[in-house]
Order: sequence, then structure tokens, then C-alpha cells
Amino acid sequence: GIQVEQSPPDLILQEGANSTLRCNFSDSVNNLQWFHQNPWGQLINLFYIPSGTKQNGRLSATTVATERYSLLYISSSQTTDSGVYFCAVRWSTDKLIFGTGTRLQVFP
Amino acid sequence: NAGVTQTPKFRVLKTGQSMTLLCAQDMNHEYMYWYRQDPGMGLRLIHYSVGEGTTAKGEVPDGYNVSRLKKQNFLLGLESAAPSQTSVYFCASTEGGETQYFGPGTRLLVL
Repeated sequence: GIQVEQSPPDLILQEGANSTLRCNFSDSVNNLQWFHQNPWGQLINLFYIPSGTKQNGRLSATTVATERYSLLYISSSQTTDSGVYFCAVRWSTDKLIFGTGTRLQVFP
Repeated sequence: NAGVTQTPKFRVLKTGQSMTLLCAQDMNHEYMYWYRQDPGMGLRLIHYSVGEGTTAKGEVPDGYNVSRLKKQNFLLGLESAAPSQTSVYFCASTEGGETQYFGPGTRLLVL
């Protein structure tokens, strides 16, 4: 089956710093999503981005489907950005395959 | 518009007991999913449904059964709970293959 790898596994930032999270996948996909899981466990949709670039406030994402990777950019990080960031890809039918996540901690 | 809701939020079971987790969505979505999340890991798909009356197996279906008798509800059953089923269970729904919307999760502890 398809493999979804995320890097780095852990990231520690000071408030105000920028960061880039990466998601690599091993096969062609027709759907890629980024999620934020906050410290209370809630999963929040960030982007639906099978290709191209999208921006939402301080967050933006780029997916290069032909090269099988996606990047999530967080600018001017805030403590509320802490949590785990997952990418998930839809492969074959309607199953989302999740990566293992990047755990982000932002300190004031 | 409540989105996706899950019942219960937390449950403790003894090995061998049975229970049913309920997922409800009010967005009229065709597709619904059950995932489990173990500590330090991403979500793994248990079962899913592409419409009322249909179900299909995901990555880790063993020990679970599901039913989709009504479009808005997707039930996950554990017939004989085992400690290995201790996990956080998430339900999700989507219209077609686009953005999935997740419920708040159910924490299950099997002793």
C-alpha cells in the first residue's frame, strides 16, 4: 500500500518563528489534506490540497503531486499552533491514509 | 449545524464486554468513516461506508463491526472487547472525496 511519511517528527519553536513541515507519499494520489490535532485531541481541517498552493492567514500549503510531496508553512508561529500536524492522502477508493504526524511545540 | 458528533465521549470496558459507538452527522454526507488513533500514531481506518446500507473494511477491521441503517448515522460495534482495542476512536464524514470532517473522538479503555 501507499506510504505516507512526515518530517520532522518533532519541532520546537519560539513564538514568532517560521517553520516548514513536509509530507512525502509513495504513489500517485488524488486527494491530500492537512489537519491540525490540538492538545485536546480535536482534529481540524487546514487544507484540502491535491495540487498547487493555498493560503489561509499565517498558514499556507503547497502540493507537487508529480514529485509526490506536500509542504505546510507556518509563519509567525503562536502558542496556539502547538499540537500535531497530519497529512493524509486518498489513495484508490475513498480511504484516507494518514502520516504519523509532526508534533509542534511553540513556546512564548 | 452540529457537524459530526460522537457518543459516548469516554467509556471503560472490561475484557469481553460489548459496546456500540454512535456517530451522527447533519451535513447530509454520503461517506462516513471510523478510525482509531493509538498513542503517538496517526489515524488508521477501521471501516467505512459510501452510502446508506453499505459498509466496507478499512486497514484494521478485525474485532469490529459497523452498520449504516440511516444516512446520518454510522455505528461501530465491539462484540468482545480486548485490551488491544484501547484507543481513541474518531468518526468522519465527507461528501464525495474531498474534505473529511471529524467528530471530537471517543476515548475507550479496555481493562
